Amino acid sequence: DAGVTQSPTHLIKTRGQQVTLRCSPKSGHDTVSWYQQALGQGPQFIFQYYEEEERQRGNFPDRFSGHQFPNYSSELNVNALLLGDSALYLCASSLGFSRAYNEQFFGPGTRLTVL
Amino acid sequence: KNQVEQSPQSLIILEGKNCTLQCNYTVSPFSNLRWYKQDTGRGPVSLTIMTFSENTKSNGRYTATLDADTKQSSLHITASQLSDSASYICVVSEDSNYQLIWGAGTKLIIKP
Repeated sequence: DAGVTQSPTHLIKTRGQQVTLRCSPKSGHDTVSWYQQALGQGPQFIFQYYEEEERQRGNFPDRFSGHQFPNYSSELNVNALLLGDSALYLCASSLGFSRAYNEQFFGPGTRLTVL
Repeated sequence: KNQVEQSPQSLIILEGKNCTLQCNYTVSPFSNLRWYKQDTGRGPVSLTIMTFSENTKSNGRYTATLDADTKQSSLHITASQLSDSASYICVVSEDSNYQLIWGAGTKLIIKP
C-alpha cells in the first residue's frame, strides 16, 4: 500500500518563473491538502482539494493555485516565483472532507529553492 | 485569534532520559489535538490524536495528555533514543471549519 508520494524531490528555479509540484494521495484517500514550510517554521496551510474543487484556502496569494484530478492526485502551481517562496512544500492526504477526526498522512515533501 | 504555542522552542537531552514538551492553544471551538513528529526535511508523521473527552493517549514511548479546561497538552517521551531527534509539532483542529492550526514545533536533540 503506497503512501503519499510527491515529485520532484528537489527543484531549483529563478525569480519570476513558474513551478508545478505533484502529489499522489495514499490509496483510498480522496482529499489532498498542501502546506508550505519555511526553514525552522511549522507548516502553513495553502489549500485543500476534494472532489476536484478547492474547498478551503489559507492566507496565500492567487499566485498559488492548484488542481485535483479524477484519480485524486493533485498539483500545486506557483507563478511569478519570489525568493520568499523557497520552502519545503508538503502534501497531505486524508479520507473525506470536513471530517473533524480525519487523520492526515504526509508525503516526503518537495524542496523548492528560488534563486 | 486561534493560536497554538509550543515550548520550549528547542531542547537538548541525553539519550535514555525522559522529557516533556508543552503545547498551549486558544483555538475555539475545539475539535481535536494532534502531535506530529517531523524529521529534518521530511513530512510530519502522526503520533497521537485526542478529542475533547480524552485525557491521555500513548503510542509506544510517547504519551500525550490533554487538559481541555486549561487548553494545554503535553507530550512525554520516555527513555529517549537517538532516533527521537526531530521536531515535534502540536496541531489543533477547529470544530467549525475543521481547519488545522499548527504550532511552530519544538526541536528536540538527543545526545549520546
